[in-house]
Amino acid sequence: AQSVTQPDIHITVSEGASLELRCNYSYGATPYLFWYVQSPGQGLQLLLKYFSGDTLVQGIKGFEAEFKRSQSSFNLRKPSVHWSDAAEYFCAVGASDMRFGAGTRLTVKP
Amino acid sequence: DAGVIQSPRHEVTEMGQEVTLRCKPISGHNSLFWYRQTMMRGLELLIYFNNNVPIDDSGMPEDRFSAKMPNASFSTLKIQPSEPRDSAVYFCASTPGGIRGYTFGSGTRLTVV
Repeated sequence: AQSVTQPDIHITVSEGASLELRCNYSYGATPYLFWYVQSPGQGLQLLLKYFSGDTLVQGIKGFEAEFKRSQSSFNLRKPSVHWSDAAEYFCAVGASDMRFGAGTRLTVKP
Repeated sequence: DAGVIQSPRHEVTEMGQEVTLRCKPISGHNSLFWYRQTMMRGLELLIYFNNNVPIDDSGMPEDRFSAKMPNASFSTLKIQPSEPRDSAVYFCASTPGGIRGYTFGSGTRLTVV
């Protein structure tokens, strides 16, 4: 069965600092992987996705993620965090029945 | 494009009452999903439809929950009777194809007292 683990429940970074959010997946075949962001009181917005090709994928809002099959990971990165990036971030796997991780809450310090 | 539209945004009801949540997917999207989000359990897939046909309802917690999609532009999630533990945010999402990712609605926050 497909599943996703996000090891970090909460991360705090300073504005301007780099960010990496971790995601590990379990999937029987080539995974379809996604990162979503959720602002308070809002639905989820797709940041980026991977299903084949280049293992480094670029998304919206300056985010990128790297697929590493050997580590079963799909970590999200941003070189310089802005205060507006404070939100909940979800990693997800699957296409027809997407499963989500528990989420990582990002706090940005001024 | 108005996106995925859910109604109501907020619903407060008394235990035992019937609750109906509504969703209008994006036109042309042939798959629709209902998720429930709680602090304890995170995002749970309840049921999904392809071309208006329910494909997998294994996530529906109990027989009190039912979902329908009578046509390509409308779906409902019904809880009858409602219980306090059903309190959560319910999201609807749609996609033209899973590998493109899903578009989520803004959710319905349900409170059962």
